[in-house]
Amino acid sequence: QSVLTQPPSASATPGQRVTISCSGGSSNIGINYVYWYQHLPGAAPKLLIYRNDQRSPGVPDRFSGSKSGTSGSLAISGLRSEDEADYYCAAWDDSLSGRVFGGGTKLTVL
Amino acid sequence: EAQLVETGGGLVQPGGSLRLSCVASEIAFTFSDHYMDWVRQGPGKGLEWVGRIRNRANNYNTDYAPSVKGRFTISRDDSSDSVYLQLNSLKIEDTAVYYCVRAYPPPDFWGPGTRVTVSS
Repeated sequence: QSVLTQPPSASATPGQRVTISCSGGSSNIGINYVYWYQHLPGAAPKLLIYRNDQRSPGVPDRFSGSKSGTSGSLAISGLRSEDEADYYCAAWDDSLSGRVFGGGTKLTVL
Repeated sequence: EAQLVETGGGLVQPGGSLRLSCVASEIAFTFSDHYMDWVRQGPGKGLEWVGRIRNRANNYNTDYAPSVKGRFTISRDDSSDSVYLQLNSLKIEDTAVYYCVRAYPPPDFWGPGTRVTVSS
């Protein structure tokens, strides 16, 4: 069971907007930054968003991140078929003195 | 193009040991300034943080996930832009792809990973 909670799956049609949530607690997201990764099969995870809402170089502005309290969100607008992937949130946890990941959300583009 | 390359993965029996290496090449950053992480993904599982080694300014301090603490050790050699993960007392559940990550300051940067299989 992951420290950060994500929905296991999400789906939408091309062109739509989808939002993926990440719920944490007072020792992780509540006091530290949220990061978002895209993971395609057979490839290394790719950083999309760091420090809650900063896009990593080269990431299109269709991807955006936000944080409120102990939760973070990743939004993808203008959905494309190539966005179909697993998405993970992450944050440092001060109580555990370690980095924690969400369980991942499998995004399906219908 | 800057890259991190992990090596050293393979098949090992339960209770055995393995040493993974990660070398930064053609880098456009100062390796010694950065914290380095190891992250793994077991078959059919999500990403799991393994541990971190900080930079010289932070005394090369390390942190580990509870699942590997006391069995795994991270070290680094800034003179060769390398970081290492020593895996001891391996268990079947340590089977995973292990990624080397330039972790902090962000944005982070990942290697392609090396596969470790623990099986008898």
